[in-house]
Amino acid sequence: GQNIDQPTEMTATEGAIVQINCTYQTSGFNGLFWYQQHAGEAPTFLSYNVLDGLEEKGRFSSFLSRSKGYSYLLLKELQMKDSASYLCAVRDSNYQLIWGAGTKLIIKP
Amino acid sequence: DADVTQTPRNRITKTGKRIMLECSQTKGHDRMYWYRQDPGLGLQLIYYSFDVKDINKGEISDGYSVSRQAQAKFSLSLESAIPNQTALYFCATSVGADGADTQYFGPGTRLTVL
Repeated sequence: GQNIDQPTEMTATEGAIVQINCTYQTSGFNGLFWYQQHAGEAPTFLSYNVLDGLEEKGRFSSFLSRSKGYSYLLLKELQMKDSASYLCAVRDSNYQLIWGAGTKLIIKP
Repeated sequence: DADVTQTPRNRITKTGKRIMLECSQTKGHDRMYWYRQDPGLGLQLIYYSFDVKDINKGEISDGYSVSRQAQAKFSLSLESAIPNQTALYFCATSVGADGADTQYFGPGTRLTVL
């Protein structure tokens, strides 16, 4: 079967750096997405990786290793507003998105 | 104005009732999707449509039906609601043309079936 694994919850301190990991086993690979979702709200797009390496976008960066079935989202200079769930999703060989259950990130002052 | 809108935002209904959730978009995207989200689980695809004449079942289509009335409108129906359909429902759209084909989500409908 297809599987996306992420930690259920993480805690970090305001101003610090946090890395959220995602491992996947899917039938085929056509890209990996990270979304942010505040409680009760819609997921919003953060990043897309299809080739190995690091994609940087402001305070957020996303890394992909296709050979290891692994990605991470790196958040720098954490702010209280970054408290949210972070969803990892992989597009499989049928071009469907397979979603992880999300990582709830708690930021403490 | 929001690019993807969903109505209603909240709905409480009873077992056995028929209910329709509506989604409209002004993004001009061809592709539209319906997902449900349950606590502790990833988003699950119910149905998707790549254009007005194209409707496809997702991984959990049983108990649901859809209608693509126009490029901008995609409705989800529960013919006879049951309590385990209580969930947060999201509509999403994507352009279908670019490499990423990123999906953009509506604000969600919280449905409770008693």
